[in-house]
Amino acid sequence: AQSVSQHNHHVILSEAASLELGCNYSYGGTVNLFWYVQYPGQHLQLLLKYFSGDPLVKGIKGFEAEFIKSKFSFNLRKPSVQWSDTAEYFCAVRGTGGFKTIFGAGTRLFVKA
Amino acid sequence: EAGVVQSPRYKIIEKKQPVAFWCNPISGHNTLYWYRQNLGQGPELLIRYENEEAVDDSQLPKDRFSAERLKGVDSTLKIQPAELGDSAVYLCASSLADSSYTFGSGTRLTVV
Repeated sequence: AQSVSQHNHHVILSEAASLELGCNYSYGGTVNLFWYVQYPGQHLQLLLKYFSGDPLVKGIKGFEAEFIKSKFSFNLRKPSVQWSDTAEYFCAVRGTGGFKTIFGAGTRLFVKA
Repeated sequence: EAGVVQSPRYKIIEKKQPVAFWCNPISGHNTLYWYRQNLGQGPELLIRYENEEAVDDSQLPKDRFSAERLKGVDSTLKIQPAELGDSAVYLCASSLADSSYTFGSGTRLTVV
């Protein structure tokens, strides 16, 4: 069965610090991978996605994620966070051929100004 | 372009009462999803529609939950009767086939 594991439930960083949020998944076949973000008081929105091709994908607001197939990982990174990045981040996985997307439990990021 | 519209935003009901949530997806999106998000957890799929057909309802507690998507556009999710454990945020999302989702703002249900 598919599953998604996010390593940290809460992360606190100071502005300008680098960010890496871990995501590992369990699925035997080809996958589509997503990171969604939920800012305070707002709805979930897509940050970036990987379907195929270059395993390093770039999203909005300076975020990027790297798909490492051998490690079943899709970690999210940002070289320098801002206070406005305070949000909850969800990793999601969908096996190709089916449209059921499984979400991780989320990582709550708080950036100190 | 209007996003996925959900109503109501908040609902407080007593246990054993019925409740219904409504979702209007993005125009043209043939796939519609209902997810439930419990506090501190990620969204969990309840039901997926392809047009008007429910193609995955394996996680829907059918003894008390029901859903419909008449005419393959907007959708309603109902709980009858509600239990304390149903308190959660109910999210609707839509997509075109295998593209990424667009989520609505959700309905926060509190059962007291």
